[in-house]
Amino acid sequence: DIQMTQSPSTLSASVGDRVTITCRASQTIGDWLAWYQQKPGKAPKLLIFKASNLQSGVPSRFSGSGSGTEFTLTISSLQPDDFATYYCQQCDTYPLTFGGGTKVEIK
Amino acid sequence: VQLVDSGGGSVQPGGSLRLSCAASGFTFSSYWMSWVRQAPGKGLEWVANIKQDGSEKYYVDSVKGRFTISRDNAKNSLFLQMNSLRDEDTATYFCARDLKQIGFDYWGQGTLVTVSS
Repeated sequence: DIQMTQSPSTLSASVGDRVTITCRASQTIGDWLAWYQQKPGKAPKLLIFKASNLQSGVPSRFSGSGSGTEFTLTISSLQPDDFATYYCQQCDTYPLTFGGGTKVEIK
Repeated sequence: VQLVDSGGGSVQPGGSLRLSCAASGFTFSSYWMSWVRQAPGKGLEWVANIKQDGSEKYYVDSVKGRFTISRDNAKNSLFLQMNSLRDEDTATYFCARDLKQIGFDYWGQGTLVTVSS
């Protein structure tokens, strides 16, 4: 199985900060990577697909990059609505696998 | 697009449960569909998916032989039959529209399954 490792697991930041989350795959997955945002008690929301493509309706302060085994999710200027947990997911090989999550907290 | 999950509840280890997902607002028969679960306070785990016509199904190893995914395109419904349930199957189960290598673009609200004696 492809292991997805996210770092950090928790991140404390302030409104307006630039935030970067890293996701590493245990083997190459091309650019078949998605990012999700999840708030407590809610279903995840697709933010980014195919590593760098913004899902419709997602604010442009979110961006993704990377290919192969290393990927990043960047929030250019953190907003109050962005405090949540973020997950990466490889969409390349079965079983589909998620990273362990990064919780973005208020500093 | 709306996905509504149902069927969760409390069950003893070794028991069975059938989850349902009612889809609306899109052509259900044109999409792969998945089940994804989340244990309390933990991360996301993909469980299974099914092709548009039901001819292909894939499962995570931990549920193979115990869970069966199915669909009824005439009723716009997705199902997950869960047998031989274990403590570690305790989780909120979400159905999701599966865009294959794009990811999951719509999710149900989730239904909680608790396996405990």
